[in-house]
Order: sequence, then structure tokens, then C-alpha cells
Amino acid sequence: GAGVSQTPSNKVTEKGKYVELRCDPISGHTALYWYRQSLGQGPEFLIYFQGTGAADDSGLPNDRFFAVRPEGSVSTLKIQRTERGDSAVYLCASSLTPPGGLAYEQYFGPGTRLTVT
Amino acid sequence: DQQVKQNSPSLSVQEGRISILNCDYTNSMFDYFLWYKKYPAEGPTFLISISSIKDKNEDGRFTVFLNKSAKHLSLHIVPSQPGDSAVYFCAASGINSGNTPLVFGKGTRLSVIA
Repeated sequence: GAGVSQTPSNKVTEKGKYVELRCDPISGHTALYWYRQSLGQGPEFLIYFQGTGAADDSGLPNDRFFAVRPEGSVSTLKIQRTERGDSAVYLCASSLTPPGGLAYEQYFGPGTRLTVT
Repeated sequence: DQQVKQNSPSLSVQEGRISILNCDYTNSMFDYFLWYKKYPAEGPTFLISISSIKDKNEDGRFTVFLNKSAKHLSLHIVPSQPGDSAVYFCAASGINSGNTPLVFGKGTRLSVIA
């Protein structure tokens, strides 16, 4: 079946502009995660949704970052007043929600490369 | 402070030999560990995982070993193939919390030389 998809694959924007990044998770996956990967680093957690609600947004760096998942499927990461330091690859992942508190592996999309000039 | 550390940024191995990638963690609450493989311009691809109730998990050419007392895990690839050349990320989470965000290391770039 289809994997996690993300659009756009590349986004170049000017400092101060607003951007939206979209994620389509694997069908049936109730958990959705956003990560950010800077050059030479591993992915860093931003926010996690369980269904429509944000279960953990402790990784969002500041209030310029916001994410929604209104129908429990597609999610949009929104960045206001972009800064050059926001330049990174933004990765989305999804997973099943198993019973019993077990963890399932997360499946990643190809990412959106954001460049703020 | 890095909770998951991959101290070798790169590793070169001859085709057919064993590749050993290492990972250390500091948070004793971690009890589920994963390895991801990443090619350029693609997202990380899940490779293999291990929970803290085990000390070894094997899947084909890939084996992950976990030493809880040392807070250390390793990924063995044998025999190594040129197609294994990629960046490998170690990741950890707390299984008892259900779905939790993964904490990643910085990655090790593996080059398998034909």
C-alpha cells in the first residue's frame, strides 16, 4: 500500500513569510509525528498526534510553530514568520496504536526540505 | 545533552565482511530501541527493533544486540553489501508509555566497498 507522503518536497521561502507543510499518513495509522532534521543531526521530535488531538507538543521550538490534524488523517505543520534557522528537512511519520501500551515502529515520509532565505 | 549517542560518524567496510554500528543511551527510561536506514533525499526506513526484555533480535542479515547494564546497543550486518551503504540512525523510546516520540542519534554513515 501507499506509504507516508509529504508535500511539497521542497519549499523555498523568504524570511518572515508563512509556510504550510502537509503530511498524508499511512491509511489506518492513528498516530502521527512531526520531526525536524538539520544537517548532520538525527531527526528531532516536534509534535505527536493521537487521532485529532496533539498528545505531545513539547518539541515545538516556539509559538511560531503550530500543527493541526482536524480529521485524524492529514496533518499540516504551519510556521509563521519564518527565520533562516528554520531551514531543515521536516519529516512526518505515522504508526499504528497498539493495545497494551506497546510501541510500534514509525514509518517516515520522504520529508519536505524547507529553505528560508 | 544527547540522550542517544552514535559516536562514529562514519564507517567503511569491505563487501562481504561484517559491519558493526554502535549506539549508547543515557536515559534509563528507554526500553524500546530501533534502527533506521536513510538514503539521500528519502525518509528514514525502519530496519529492526528490540525491546528491553530481549538482548538480541535477528532478521536476515541484520542483528541487533542490547546490553542494558551498559546502556549500549549495536547493529550487525553480515555479510555487508554495497546496497547497505547509507546513514544508519539509532532511536529509542519508552514502550510503557505507548506511542511515544523517538529520540534519535546523529547517525553513522556506512560505506560498503565492493
